[in-house]
Amino acid sequence: QKEVEQNSGPLSVPEGAIASLNCTYSDRGSQSFFWYRQYSGKSPELIMSIYSNGDKEDGRFTAQLNKASQYVSLLIRDSQPSDSATYLCAVSGSARQLTFGSGTQLTVLP
Amino acid sequence: ETGVTQSPTHLIKTRGQQVTLRCSSQSGHNTVSWYQQALGQGPQFIFQYYREEENGRGNFPPRFSGLQFPNYSSELNVNALELDDSALYLCASSLDRANQPQHFGDGTRLSIL
Repeated sequence: QKEVEQNSGPLSVPEGAIASLNCTYSDRGSQSFFWYRQYSGKSPELIMSIYSNGDKEDGRFTAQLNKASQYVSLLIRDSQPSDSATYLCAVSGSARQLTFGSGTQLTVLP
Repeated sequence: ETGVTQSPTHLIKTRGQQVTLRCSSQSGHNTVSWYQQALGQGPQFIFQYYREEENGRGNFPPRFSGLQFPNYSSELNVNALELDDSALYLCASSLDRANQPQHFGDGTRLSIL
């Protein structure tokens, strides 16, 4: 059974701080890794994708991938109250179906 | 560019009934995937359609079935509804190439009474 594990949280950080979200996965054949943001009552929104080891930066977001450790993380710099949401880690392999973690709820305190 | 659209937005059914949910893929996307998201959980993969054929299925019973049409739009059908089928049903579209992200519609909230 392919599994994706996330810290369930909730995670609270003050405005302007760095939020760090972590994810581990069980399938070594996984090829693609995604972070989605989901506001309460809304659908998941893609914010980052990463496919090779190392860091990928996009604005205030940095995704980190370590395939040897089967670990993916998302850093949010200068966190804003509008970043308060549930963050979903998703992994796919050759089958191209997404396996999601249960999500980490982030609250950014003004 | 038109995004993924789903209908209806909300639906209330009773146990034993049947339901059909609809999805139009994002412009240019030829692959549609369906997910079920229970409250407080991550989405669970139901199945994926490509070229009007089922192209992968998750751990869901046969009463969950689907279709894809030549214009890449798709339907999810659920027969003999059970209380546990109450969830947010999400459709996602993508290109059928490696490393292509999936983009989600707004979902259909299904409530079973």
